[in-house]
Amino acid sequence: DQQVKQNSPSLSVQEGRISILNCDYTNSMFDYFLWYKKYPAEGPTFLISISSIKDKNEDGRFTVFLNKSAKHLSLHIVPSQPGDSAVYFCAASGDNYGQNFVFGPGTRLSVLP
Amino acid sequence: DAGVIQSPRHEVTEMGQEVTLRCKPISGHNSLFWYRQTMMRGLELLIYFNNNVPIDDSGMPEDRFSAKMPNASFSTLKIQPSEPRDSAVYFCASNTWSGTGYTFGSGTRLTVV
Repeated sequence: DQQVKQNSPSLSVQEGRISILNCDYTNSMFDYFLWYKKYPAEGPTFLISISSIKDKNEDGRFTVFLNKSAKHLSLHIVPSQPGDSAVYFCAASGDNYGQNFVFGPGTRLSVLP
Repeated sequence: DAGVIQSPRHEVTEMGQEVTLRCKPISGHNSLFWYRQTMMRGLELLIYFNNNVPIDDSGMPEDRFSAKMPNASFSTLKIQPSEPRDSAVYFCASNTWSGTGYTFGSGTRLTVV
């Protein structure tokens, strides 16, 4: 049973519009969340994080929202750019050292020019 | 900093052969992780080490899989004997807790024919 779910395998968005990638988790012990971006033939790279003491974290065009009661987080990209086309992984951790992250299956984002 | 270095980048082998994947973590990182990525299951944690000691190997699929970390700068993941269903991209990652999760290597694409 997957503890971290990304129910949309793929998403297509027009350049300049908002991209919203969703992630749901089942383990209420998770208290730290990360988003990674992965290009083909490369390893995933860290994008943005959020701790359970917050409900929003923003970094430039990227904003992550956390709804603890719903066990849901989302990544917003505004405005979307063709270079954002990649696979996005949501990851969650509940151990004290934040070292053991569980990853979702990923969502492939395509930003169309 | 050269990042996490994995070798080889690609490996094609015949069923039944032994396969060894290698990883050099970032200097100073005290944790190392082996992940496997497949289309069906996304990123799965196989095993992780803290200070060269295996902490959690519950993700290792079978006894055919083994991992070692003889020192802080080197780890191996071995599959013996390999099977076609082992075909996947294997990622190594390392970290020292800084709130940014792991740094991933570029991965080894394994194909077992």
